[in-house]
Amino acid sequence: AQSVTQLGSHVSVSEGALVLLRCNYSSSVPPYLFWYVQYPNQGLQLLLKYTTGATLVKGINGFEAEFKKSETSFHLTKPSAHMSDAAEYFCAVRSIQGAQKLVFGQGTRLTINP
Amino acid sequence: ETGVTQSPTHLIKTRGQQVTLRCSSQSGHNTVSWYQQALGQGPQFIFQYYREEENGRGNFPPRFSGLQFPNYSSELNVNALELDDSALYLCASSSTDSPNTEAFFGQGTRLTVV
Repeated sequence: AQSVTQLGSHVSVSEGALVLLRCNYSSSVPPYLFWYVQYPNQGLQLLLKYTTGATLVKGINGFEAEFKKSETSFHLTKPSAHMSDAAEYFCAVRSIQGAQKLVFGQGTRLTINP
Repeated sequence: ETGVTQSPTHLIKTRGQQVTLRCSSQSGHNTVSWYQQALGQGPQFIFQYYREEENGRGNFPPRFSGLQFPNYSSELNVNALELDDSALYLCASSSTDSPNTEAFFGQGTRLTVV
């Protein structure tokens, strides 16, 4: 069975500061990994994904994440936070084979302080 | 903005009633998945449809059922509604032709059971 743990249900940073959202996963087979963002009363928007190849992946809005197999981690970072980054962020894992079922973490609410 | 559309956007039902939620998938996508997102939680996988048949199911009772139509659109039906069914229901479409691509989510249907 697959699972995702997001460390910290709430993260607060100052505008211009580094954003670091943590994600650890458990999977018996090599997974695909995703980060989604959700703004209030909206659906999920993909920020970035790791499938194969380079372990450092870049996404939209200046976000990036690094797949570390030895640490079973896929942490999301952004060098400089903007007010518009305030949202809920979800890490998700999916098996390479079988049903394209996403297993999500509980989410991290990111607050940006002016 | 994705090509996945869901209707209605909001819905209020009484406990014990039945509800049908609808989803139109993105052009070129042949797989539809449904997720339930309770307040403050990550989305939970309900089931997935491929070629008009259920292709994977999460830990949800049989009163949650679905359909996929030849044009790949889908319905989620919930019978005998319970108060705990109040949630945001998300539809996601994807393609098995490109298994390493991501799922695209609709804006969701907010269901309130009173």
